[in-house]
Amino acid sequence: DTGVSQDPRHKITKRGQNVTFRCDPISEHNRLYWYRQTLGQGPEFLTYFQNEAQLEKSRLLSDRFSAERPKGSFSTLEIQRTEQGDSAMYLCASSRRAGQGIYEQYFGPGTRLTVT
Amino acid sequence: GESVGLHLPTLSVQEGDNSIINCAYSNSASDYFIWYKQESGKGPQFIIDIRSNMDKRQGQRVTVLLNKTVKHLSLQIAATQPGDSAVYFCAENSGGSNYKLTFGKGTLLTVNP
Repeated sequence: DTGVSQDPRHKITKRGQNVTFRCDPISEHNRLYWYRQTLGQGPEFLTYFQNEAQLEKSRLLSDRFSAERPKGSFSTLEIQRTEQGDSAMYLCASSRRAGQGIYEQYFGPGTRLTVT
Repeated sequence: GESVGLHLPTLSVQEGDNSIINCAYSNSASDYFIWYKQESGKGPQFIIDIRSNMDKRQGQRVTVLLNKTVKHLSLQIAATQPGDSAVYFCAENSGGSNYKLTFGKGTLLTVNP
């Protein structure tokens, strides 16, 4: 257990519905990353926050996706009008500046989304 | 585009043997590399990392080797145990200070008792 929690662990939704996922990082970590992982592939970067500021978004993140980290603690990732191609594992990683300026990332258990 | 689908590279070893998992990374400007272990249904678990100014780093039962000339990274696991069975990913930071990681394809390690 890394200390990063995600909720829900599994979500099944019908195409066209909106879904929201939550990530609670390690409390003293100021950075939070979202990744998406499809079956048989490595995680792909979606976006990241430093404190409450969203500093970068991947081009994978279409307009239907939005992420927030309002108080610099937990974060939410919302997908509007879900499509079957959104089915994936959504991973959150918690991070802070460690030795030599590195940001080590510790992943949560993920939210498995299935769009039917 | 080309689909790599579910065909992960696989490595099968006997318990007690040493394992070597290889990874070719993509960006010569990458300055930080990490190996993660992922068990079925779980998030990636940090194993060991290395900065580009090093060529070797050792942890408990694990060693990471970095060859920048050929952009190659390897993970060596000593005395492999059944609990080491998982998918192993290498990841690189090619994004500078934002540390957005780019992951490789993954290798499935199976340890036979």
